[in-house]
Amino acid sequence: RKEVEQDPGPFNVPEGATVAFNCTYSNSASQSFFWYRQDCRKEPKLLMSVYSSGNEDGRFTAQLNRASQYISLLIRDSKLSDSATYLCVPYSGGYNKLIFGAGTRLAVHP
Amino acid sequence: EAQVTQNPRYLITVTGKKLTVTCSQNMNHEYMSWYRQDPGLGLRQIYYSMNVEVTDKGDVPEGYKVSRKEKRNFPLILESPSPNQTSLYFCATSRSGSPGANVLTFGAGSRLTVL
Repeated sequence: RKEVEQDPGPFNVPEGATVAFNCTYSNSASQSFFWYRQDCRKEPKLLMSVYSSGNEDGRFTAQLNRASQYISLLIRDSKLSDSATYLCVPYSGGYNKLIFGAGTRLAVHP
Repeated sequence: EAQVTQNPRYLITVTGKKLTVTCSQNMNHEYMSWYRQDPGLGLRQIYYSMNVEVTDKGDVPEGYKVSRKEKRNFPLILESPSPNQTSLYFCATSRSGSPGANVLTFGAGSRLTVL
């Protein structure tokens, strides 16, 4: 089993839709989680950090389910500019223990 | 402006010709790291550095070398590049030695093709 698994997508949604991605992780020692956004062929940028059960920032909500070892990202009222790949990143401690998922691609259309 | 600068951004080279990808940051960050990104795979860590003269292997170090002689610079060296090192490379930094506590700031990426 991969350490981090994400549905590669693409998720094709119309503007204004609500969309959710799941990310499952195998290391139960993962302490915190990050969602990064990556535009095509560009560098990843931090979208959200999750240190407890979840986090909310505007239209974006992350929810953590430690028992089932998955974290979800919900995007409400999708914008064209949300089109990107979303990377799930669990952190289990140590200086080289950020494990990047391969990402879920979102395409928002008019 | 806080920046992580990588050079070159694009490079096509041939097997066996040594090359260096430079990474420089102006944020006084202690932690620096190199990743490679390949289709269908997540970012994989090549090497990381906790501070000057302190480096360690990541998950895929074979075929690469690094050095950290100054805090701001962390070059990635391919002594004898091979086609399987064709990839998109990212340098990343963070303020403390614990990436989980701090945001990783990435460079713009270097796309390397080895023929």
